[in-house]
Order: sequence, then structure tokens, then C-alpha cells
Amino acid sequence: EVQLVESGGDLVQPGGSLRLSCAASGFTFYEYPMHWVRQAPGKGLEWVSGICTGGGCAGYADSVKGRFTISRDDARKSLYLQMNSLTVEDTALYYCGKELSRHGHSPLDYWGQGILVTVSS
Amino acid sequence: EIVLTQSPATLSLSPGETATLSCRASQSVGTYLAWYQQKPGQAPRLLIYDASNRATGIPARFSGSGSGTDFTLTINSLEPEDFAVYYCQQRSDWLTFGGGTKVEI
Repeated sequence: EVQLVESGGDLVQPGGSLRLSCAASGFTFYEYPMHWVRQAPGKGLEWVSGICTGGGCAGYADSVKGRFTISRDDARKSLYLQMNSLTVEDTALYYCGKELSRHGHSPLDYWGQGILVTVSS
Repeated sequence: EIVLTQSPATLSLSPGETATLSCRASQSVGTYLAWYQQKPGQAPRLLIYDASNRATGIPARFSGSGSGTDFTLTINSLEPEDFAVYYCQQRSDWLTFGGGTKVEI
């Protein structure tokens, strides 16, 4: 059974940093591109960042570019999101997601339960 | 950045009726278009991928169509559990989500 479990969410002050983790199990983690998607309270889904297999490429939404860094550790079957210079607009539930296909250009067929990040003074 | 525009924002229907949801892309995404369903307090669930393929376990009343810039999700004979928010998503250039359509009773 595929499982994605996020951790690392917290209440942080504006300008602070946080590192999210996503522990994967039930599939061959290194074969699949992975993503972070967030959802602000009462709002829609917003893609945050994605990473290719092997970490060879990564993409970011304009809203987080230069502040967030995605990475993966295939040996630990884990996905990470380093978030710096946080603002109140980053307050959201953060989901990690697995792509359907090993070959990219595919949607997310499994999602974690989400982890809450609150940015407030 | 590819922008996805969903319409309508809200669709008010009754069980047994047919829902037709639209998603328009700012540039061609080929058939790299997916649809998700999200219920309150839950993670999104993949319904349709590659514009028209149902994901594993998705009932046949859900169908998708379209290519290029215009896409449609059709839900035939709405069941009570189908009332939810639906998002389209492109995977032609990384990911983008549409703003969502709420299907309500």
C-alpha cells in the first residue's frame, strides 16, 4: 500500500524557516517524480514545487522561487521542502504527492494527508 | 506559466442530474490534463488523467474529454457522494491547477 506521510509543519514567525519532510513507502520511490502542493485555508490547490527522478531537475511556482528548495533522498525514500523567508501568504496545508507515471508528464495519483504550516507573529 | 480557468465556479444540481465542468488552458497542454475531486478535510483524489482516462477505481459515470486548450469533465447521474470541489490540473509544463468548481446540491 502506497503511503506518504508529511511532517515538520509548525507555527513560525514571518521571515522564519521550516523544513518539511515526506516519508514514502509502498512503491519504488526513486523511480517517480514527486511534488509539493499547498492549500491555503478555504482556498484552492496551488502547486509549489516538483522534482525529477534522481533529483536531476526541479521546478518551482513563481510565488516560492528563490525561497523554497525541494530535494529528495532516495536511500531514505524521503522528499523534503526547505522553506526560507516565510510570509503569512505561505500559511497553508502542504501535501506531498507522487506522480502516476515514472516517465513524467503525469498527474498525482497518491497524496499525503497534509501538514499545516502557519506563518504568524 | 500555463493558467487554467475553470467554469462555472459553482454548479447547483440535484442527485440524478448531469454535471458538466469546463477547464480552459491559456496555451495548449495537449492531453496532459487531469481532474481531481476533493471533499472537505480530505486530500484530492485523482479521477481522470490524460484528458479522458479514468483512474483506478473511478466509476464510469465520470468521463473526461478535450485536447489542446479546452477540456470537459462530465459526471452522469450525480450520486450524493459526488457533491464536492473539482480541480483540473495540467502536466505539460510542471504543474498548474485550476481554481476549482464546487458542485453543490
